Amino acid sequence: GENVEQHPSTLSVQEGDSAVIKCTYSDSASNYFPWYKQELGKRPQLIIDIRSNVGEKKDQRIAVTLNKTAKHFSLHITETQPEDSAVYFCAASLIGSARQLTFGSGTQLTVLP
Amino acid sequence: KAGVTQTPRYLIKTRGQQVTLSCSPISGHRSVSWYQQTPGQGLQFLFEYFSETQRNKGNFPGRFSGRQFSNSRSEMNVSTLELGDSALYLCASNAPGTTNTGELFFGEGSRLTVL
Repeated sequence: GENVEQHPSTLSVQEGDSAVIKCTYSDSASNYFPWYKQELGKRPQLIIDIRSNVGEKKDQRIAVTLNKTAKHFSLHITETQPEDSAVYFCAASLIGSARQLTFGSGTQLTVLP
Repeated sequence: KAGVTQTPRYLIKTRGQQVTLSCSPISGHRSVSWYQQTPGQGLQFLFEYFSETQRNKGNFPGRFSGRQFSNSRSEMNVSTLELGDSALYLCASNAPGTTNTGELFFGEGSRLTVL
């Protein structure tokens, strides 16, 4: 089955700096890669996703890049703000089975004021 | 539009007991998935139901089961509870008839503690 590895497990950045979280996946058939943000005590929420026919996707301060050959994808957050502090999870699946996500282990991002 | 609702939010059980958790999806969503979240294992897929049928199942023992009703509400059951079953159980619903939209809408979860 699919296996997703996520690094780093914790990340601290100064407010205004950029943050990068990286994930690798094992199943070359996976073609859907979402990122979820989970604030303390709250539910995970989708922040951005990308499909394998696209190499990069951007939404304001958030971007995701995908390298299918190397089987890795990354989340980039620019101009970080304190409200970006949360746990971020990457995930992978087949689009047709998008509800069966294999998640990475999560990255605790702390944005220091 | 109401979000995904899970009940109960918190519960404490003892080893050997069983538990039933409930999930009401967003109105109109016919797919309901369940995930187990623990500090050590992260988020792990349990199963997914669509139109009262289990479509996918994760790598969990048979003690974990679920069902979906005609109104799309779902329940999951864990029998013969073990200490390792202590976790946050998250339910997520997905928009109807879309294989290309993967967004999952999660509930706030049911936190189970097994003593």
